[in-house]
Amino acid sequence: EADIYQTPRYLVIGTGKKITLECSQTMGHDKMYWYQQDPGMELHLIHYSYGVNSTEKGDLSSESTVSRIRTEHFPLTLESARPSHTSQYLCASSDGLAGETQYFGPGTRLLVL
Amino acid sequence: DAKTTQPTSMDCAEGRAANLPCNHSTISGNEYVYWYRQIHSQGPQYIIHGLKNNETNEMASLIITEDRKSSTLILPHATLRDTAVYYCIVRIRHGGSNYKLTFGKGTLLTVNP
Repeated sequence: EADIYQTPRYLVIGTGKKITLECSQTMGHDKMYWYQQDPGMELHLIHYSYGVNSTEKGDLSSESTVSRIRTEHFPLTLESARPSHTSQYLCASSDGLAGETQYFGPGTRLLVL
Repeated sequence: DAKTTQPTSMDCAEGRAANLPCNHSTISGNEYVYWYRQIHSQGPQYIIHGLKNNETNEMASLIITEDRKSSTLILPHATLRDTAVYYCIVRIRHGGSNYKLTFGKGTLLTVNP
């Protein structure tokens, strides 16, 4: 069982608000990832980190930003939410050893009105 | 990058074996095949992975053809809770010892009572 947590699970917010989606893992994994998934669609990698103070943009362009100050914590921030940001955001982590298995959190469903 | 092809959907009777095919004809010699599943509204769950040999764990078996151009995920006794989207993924090297997973559309497996 993976120990990776995301809060909030659901968020309804108005346009223009700043939001931060939290992701924490207690497995000591160096590598962490953020994916975005619209209903019925594929997962798209938007950010990843291979360790503290390391962040990179993923395959899908996103207006969100991330930070990695601590190993266990990888928050995602939207400075000014828009309806186009409505989606599910999934966080994952991996230990980077042989196998590179990624463990996913339960996701945050974001609705921007 | 190796690409995978999966059927859009499949049905299976409860208690019977579910055999999910995947084509990855452009796979390279050192690329692993991963299987994940995503139950509605949840984060993806790791199932199994393999390189050349067939693999089995408590969840499933993975059969990889000798030429490695295709594989089959087998759920030996499908239950209603196995209804999910199943993703076949070829792990891609992403610089140094880092890898990434690219999720496609997957196969929606529906287990019927």
